[in-house]
Amino acid sequence: KAGVTQTPRYLIKTRGQQVTLSCSPISGHRSVSWYQQTPGQGLQFLFEYFSETQRNKGNFPGRFSGRQFSNSRSEMNVSTLELGDSALYLCASSPDGNTIYFGEGSWLTVV
Amino acid sequence: AQSVTQPDIHITVSEGASLELRCNYSYGATPYLFWYVQSPGQGLQLLLKYFSGDTLVQGIKGFEAEFKRSQSSFNLRKPSVHWSDAAEYFCAVGASEFGNEKLTFGTGTRLTIIP
Repeated sequence: KAGVTQTPRYLIKTRGQQVTLSCSPISGHRSVSWYQQTPGQGLQFLFEYFSETQRNKGNFPGRFSGRQFSNSRSEMNVSTLELGDSALYLCASSPDGNTIYFGEGSWLTVV
Repeated sequence: AQSVTQPDIHITVSEGASLELRCNYSYGATPYLFWYVQSPGQGLQLLLKYFSGDTLVQGIKGFEAEFKRSQSSFNLRKPSVHWSDAAEYFCAVGASEFGNEKLTFGTGTRLTIIP
């Protein structure tokens, strides 16, 4: 069974631009969550989607948004990028709400 | 609100030696606890998890962890480390309100293995 797939793996954006990251969960998993990992703040929960509905949200500004499609694939969007948004963005999926499996992440650099 | 403390930022162990990584949590209800490992440039791989039942849980790669409610701890152990175990290790607690999609992570412990 394929794991959680994230695209793109690496990208560089300029301050003020916006970015969209994509995540394909493990087949059969309906819950998708997103995390941001930075050296300073560590791993922080962004949001979680289940059956196209956002169920849980972390403490991030409104520039960070996401959505989930009917096939459980998810995207997250960051608008008006700031230098501090440079991070590894990790997507995770869960089959049962109890165990979470992570993808390899998307490395975003904002210059 | 839940929190996780990993008091050791960096640990160095000789290959073949035993390992224990510490994790303390704070959570009002029965915690769901996890250990993940992250190799450089990679995502997180689940090593093991504790939900209920036997307090000693076995994971992949020869790791085990013991849940001690009285100490609010969930320490990770391995009897004999291999050079390939060098990585960063994260302890996490799940918020069971909606399941465990919202994990709170510790700051991680970086493990270095010396020959």
